[in-house]
Amino acid sequence: QVQLVESGGGVVQPGTSLRLSCEASAFTFSSYAMHWVRQAPGKGLEWVTVISFDGGTKSYADSVKGRFTISRDNSKNTLYLQMNSLRTEDTAVYYCATFISNPYWGQGTLVSVSS
Amino acid sequence: EIVLTQSPGTLSLSPGERATLSCMASQSVSSIYLAWYQQKPGQPPRLLIYGASSRATGVPDRFDGRGSGTDFTLTISRLEPEDFAVYYCLHCGGSLWTFGQGTKVEIK
Repeated sequence: QVQLVESGGGVVQPGTSLRLSCEASAFTFSSYAMHWVRQAPGKGLEWVTVISFDGGTKSYADSVKGRFTISRDNSKNTLYLQMNSLRTEDTAVYYCATFISNPYWGQGTLVSVSS
Repeated sequence: EIVLTQSPGTLSLSPGERATLSCMASQSVSSIYLAWYQQKPGQPPRLLIYGASSRATGVPDRFDGRGSGTDFTLTISRLEPEDFAVYYCLHCGGSLWTFGQGTKVEIK
């Protein structure tokens, strides 16, 4: 069974940084593009960023471009999201996700940006 | 960029009634990449339908997904108390994923 487990969330102040991780198992991680999706409290779902299977291609939502960096370590089956210059509006539950005949998501990790 | 528009925004119905939710894409999309999710307060989204019409594991057969091209529909044949929730459609093809804004199914 495909499993995605996010970690690294927490409470941080505006302007600071945080790195999220997503450990993948039960599928060939190095063969699939990986995404981060987020959901702010009481709001809808927002796609954040994607990285290709080999890490060579990345795309970002305009809301995070220039502040967030997606990366992956295929030897560790792990996806990362480096979040810099965090803003209060980045407060959300962050999910990692992929598509393998159908979409798979993790359970999410909460990032709270507050002074 | 594909935009998904869900309607209605809110659906007020009674248990036992039929719910019909719409998801319209701004351009034709492959049905393979159209999914529906259910979300209850405090919980992560739960996959209901993938490939526009395939039920995910454990999803009751009262949930039915149909459609192609730009028009997709999720029908709940007879609402159970546990079905009152927010429903999202998702296009997960290509490099960018796109979500609809959600339809809230509430108890009338």
